[in-house]
Amino acid sequence: GQQLNQSPQSMFIQEGEDVSMNCTSSSIFNTWLWYKQDPGEGPVLLIALYKAGELTSNGRLTAQFGITRKDSFLNISASIPSDVGIYFCAGQAVRYIFGTGTRLKVLA
Amino acid sequence: GAGVSQSPSNKVTEKGKDVELRCDPISGHTALYWYRQSLGQGLEFLIYFQGNSAPDKSGLPSDRFSAERTGGSVSTLTIQRTQQEDSAVYLCASSSRAGTLYEQYFGPGTRLTVT
Repeated sequence: GQQLNQSPQSMFIQEGEDVSMNCTSSSIFNTWLWYKQDPGEGPVLLIALYKAGELTSNGRLTAQFGITRKDSFLNISASIPSDVGIYFCAGQAVRYIFGTGTRLKVLA
Repeated sequence: GAGVSQSPSNKVTEKGKDVELRCDPISGHTALYWYRQSLGQGLEFLIYFQGNSAPDKSGLPSDRFSAERTGGSVSTLTIQRTQQEDSAVYLCASSSRAGTLYEQYFGPGTRLTVT
């Protein structure tokens, strides 16, 4: 099925470092969502973006809706071990299209 | 409850048997989605219900898969004559429209194992 290009696929970082991941698409979206999934759980919504250029923060998380409406990024500042998991982006035109996921591992 | 619920949480079935997976969306949510997630993989879209509109079935992998949504609320995903490649976590999500805002919330998933 159709998916967004999400990068990086995986990353290993040291505790305290900042993390950045992004999603790109050839299609224009009206909404971007970012999720985190822990093992054995369903994805949990982190941030929702509704306007091109919008920059939204949720604690140590910051996400932006790209000006072209074809991309979005998520930053995590000062990573901690519990940030480990898989992060998914999702873009919505009619229905949601999901990115392939970024697997984050934090080394204490 | 306040969130999306799914049942059963785990299902083990023999190859060739039929299974039914249930999703209870958040009350008032008009849209309901089914996804499939294989181990360590991303989310594969299966089917999307929006209000009274005809569902978007474009993601269903074969005619062994079907889903219905009764009364605009509870949904059942049915897999007939299960195959080992059907083993995966099946996730349900619902969303509401508030103005022009959509936020999609997931249930915990049903882990299906076909032996």
